[in-house]
Amino acid sequence: GQQLNQSPQSMFIQEGEDVSMNCTSSSIFNTWLWYKQDPGEGPVLLIALYKAGELTSNGRLTAQFGITRKDSFLNISASIPSDVGIYFCAGRHSGTYKYIFGTGTRLKVLA
Amino acid sequence: DAGVIQSPRHEVTEMGQEVTLRCKPISGHDYLFWYRQTMMRGLELLIYFNNNVPIDDSGMPEDRFSAKMPNASFSTLKIQPSEPRDSAVYFCASTTSALGGGSPLHFGNGTRLTVT
Repeated sequence: GQQLNQSPQSMFIQEGEDVSMNCTSSSIFNTWLWYKQDPGEGPVLLIALYKAGELTSNGRLTAQFGITRKDSFLNISASIPSDVGIYFCAGRHSGTYKYIFGTGTRLKVLA
Repeated sequence: DAGVIQSPRHEVTEMGQEVTLRCKPISGHDYLFWYRQTMMRGLELLIYFNNNVPIDDSGMPEDRFSAKMPNASFSTLKIQPSEPRDSAVYFCASTTSALGGGSPLHFGNGTRLTVT
């Protein structure tokens, strides 16, 4: 099935550092979602974006809906060990409730 | 509020056996999705329903897979006969159209299927 390009695939960072990841699509979306998945659990919603240019924060997390509507970004400030996990983006085209998922960014935080 | 509930959490079965995975969506949600997650292929959409009717089953791998939604609060994904390559984590997710597209997808905790 179709997947979004998500990068980086994985990253090791030091505790306290900021983290950035992004997703790109060849087509326009009207909704972007960002999820975090811990081992043995289902993806948990972090941030939902519904308008081009929208910038939304959830604690130390900030996500943006790209102006072109073909990309989205997630930033994590001052990372902590519990930020470890896999982060997924998901996008949805207009007129459908079918979400397409990115390939995931595996984040590891070194204390 | 209860989230999406899936059962069982883990299923181990032998090749050739029938497997049934179950899902209860969030109450009031009219869309239900079945996803499969593997290391190699990531999260793949298998099928989704709207108001209990299958809308898109193009992701269902083959005829061995079938899904039903007999009512608004219950769905099953069946694999018959199962094969080792079906081993994966299967997720159910739901959302509502009541907010005109402004409601995100909510996932259950998945069923980890191992076929030996």
